[in-house]
Amino acid sequence: SYVLTQPPSVSVAPGQTARITCGGDNIGSKSVHWYQQKPGQAPVVVVYDDYDRPSGIPERFSGSNSGNTAILTISRVEAGDEADYFCQVWDSIIDHMVFGGGTKLTVL
Amino acid sequence: QVQLVESGGGVVQPGRSLRLSCAAFGFTFSSSAMHWVRQAPGKGLEGVATISNDGSIKFYADSVKGRFSISRDSSKNTLYLQMNSLRAEDTAVYYCARDGQTIFGRALDWGQGTLVTVSS
Repeated sequence: SYVLTQPPSVSVAPGQTARITCGGDNIGSKSVHWYQQKPGQAPVVVVYDDYDRPSGIPERFSGSNSGNTAILTISRVEAGDEADYFCQVWDSIIDHMVFGGGTKLTVL
Repeated sequence: QVQLVESGGGVVQPGRSLRLSCAAFGFTFSSSAMHWVRQAPGKGLEGVATISNDGSIKFYADSVKGRFSISRDSSKNTLYLQMNSLRAEDTAVYYCARDGQTIFGRALDWGQGTLVTVSS
């Protein structure tokens, strides 16, 4: 089945830019969705369909997707952005949601 | 405002059954595909089951195929997950999530989750 690979952790200082990668075979041909999950809470979509942002999500969150890598970029990182981030695609071969293993973002 | 409220979780013995419900508010339930996603304690997210807006199309993860059944009742704006032959590895928080009008394979809104613990 389709595999999505994320780094286990990313650390960034406040005000800097965080980039969280999501690797997959020809992932650029799929739509990628990104979820933020804070401790004890349900996930929240921050980017869907590669780069669309739901209402209420700050413009600081953006997405890109090309080749074998999708990237979630968080600009001007704030302490409140500290969370786990998961990428996800729909595997149309097995008709199933596939998630990356998650990346813990730490704000130093 | 979209709201999804799961219920039905609890502690159950291996081999027994449980039915989860997800009540939907604030959107046209009959126009949205829906998903169940689970998260084992301290682990990542796993897609469990998906149903089309009219209930005619259903997909399951291999790990639950033949044991779990997803359904919906648009007259009650409610999504269900019937879980049979439960195993210890089914222990997780189960979330329901809303997709678009067709199965785009994304979770735009999530419920707060309901915890299922399979233990003797």
